Formats: sequence, C-alpha cells, structure tokens
Amino acid sequence: DADVTQTPRNRITKTGKRIMLECSQTKGHDRMYWYRQDPGLGLRLIYYSFDVKDINKGEISDGYSVSRQAQAKFSLSLESAIPNQTALYFCATSDARGDVRTGELFFGEGSRLTVL
Amino acid sequence: AQSVTQPDIHITVSEGASLELRCNYSYGATPYLFWYVQSPGQGLQLLLKYFSGDTLVQGIKGFEAEFKRSQSSFNLRKPSVHWSDAAEYFCAVGARAGGTSYGKLTFGQGTILTVHP
Repeated sequence: DADVTQTPRNRITKTGKRIMLECSQTKGHDRMYWYRQDPGLGLRLIYYSFDVKDINKGEISDGYSVSRQAQAKFSLSLESAIPNQTALYFCATSDARGDVRTGELFFGEGSRLTVL
Repeated sequence: AQSVTQPDIHITVSEGASLELRCNYSYGATPYLFWYVQSPGQGLQLLLKYFSGDTLVQGIKGFEAEFKRSQSSFNLRKPSVHWSDAAEYFCAVGARAGGTSYGKLTFGQGTILTVHP
C-alpha cells in the first residue's frame, strides 16, 4: 500500500458543488501539505500543517479550506467549486524530526479534479 | 521569498544523447535543493537532493546535479538518456531550519522531457 494515499483519484463535479479531497499517511510524519499542479505553473502550495493544531495558508489558499483530523489525515475542501479550480491536487508529507531536516516531501499519487 | 525558475518548458532529445535540465533559484542563503520526476499519471518521485557537502550530487536512475552557488543554479544531468526517462521534471528549493520559509518547498514550472527513439 502507498505511504500517502489520496481519495478520490479522479472526480468530476459541477460549479457550486462542495468537494472534499482526503489524504492519509502511514509514514508517521508530522507535516502535511496540499499542492495544486497546473500545466506550465508547476506545483503551488495551498495549505500546510506542521502538526494537528497548526494550519497555515500557502500562496493560493483563496477558495479552499483544510482540516487536520489527526496526525495521519489532512483533507482539502472546496466549499463552492469553480471551473478554474480544475487541476491535479497533491498531498505530501515531510518529517521534521532528526538531525537532517531537509524538508524533503513525499507525495501521494494525486487527485484529478474537473469542475464543469 | 524563495523562488525557482526552470527556463526550458519542453526539451526533446534522442535516446542515448546527453541531457541537461536547467534550474535557477533565488534564496538569501544556501538552500536545500531537490529534483523530482513525474511520470505520466503518477505522483512525484525524488531523484536527488542537496543539503550540504559535495556540490555534485548523485541520484537515482543515473541522474546527477551540480550546485553552483555563484550561479544560483542546480542543473540536472544524465550522460545517456533512455526512453523511460520521458517525464516532467521539477526543481524545488527549500529553506533551512530557522528560515522564514522552513518546511515549505517552492517548485519551478517544470520541464517536459520527450525522448525520440
């Protein structure tokens, strides 16, 4: 099984609908992230969480919200989806422990969201 | 704020040819640097990373990258490309502990590699 699991992997929805993307991890990492990938723009950070009680906005948080339900679970919500939120979404984790804390990210396989 | 530029959106090479993918970063001190690869329909896999020491870093699948502080670059190289290397490649920069952006990676726009037989 994958260390970082995203559900659903693919979703098509309509404008105005509420959507939740879920992420769970078995790596035991404290830090979790949601990134969005668009062609030609690379990956952009939406939200990140350094522990269960810590939630931070990334560079493109407008229109999104998150919930860190447990150390291993981090979900991303679109309260009212719009077409320009059509993208590939990645959840990632990193380990803040140890002497070498490089911030290396470990990614899930992505959730492709299409908003019509 | 940290930033990354990958000047080449798309590169095409022949199988067996050498490859160099460019990456330039902006950061006030020595950053952590990463190259990730994304195969079609897949997530991102780490190829290699630099955080200290030898500026020439070896990674998986025969890739290497060289950190050049004077040029703010971290270019990825491979001496002989295989058809299976066709993918999208992302360079990323991260701040060291104590930096204001510590714990977050900033990614470049990506370079799509096409390999001709």
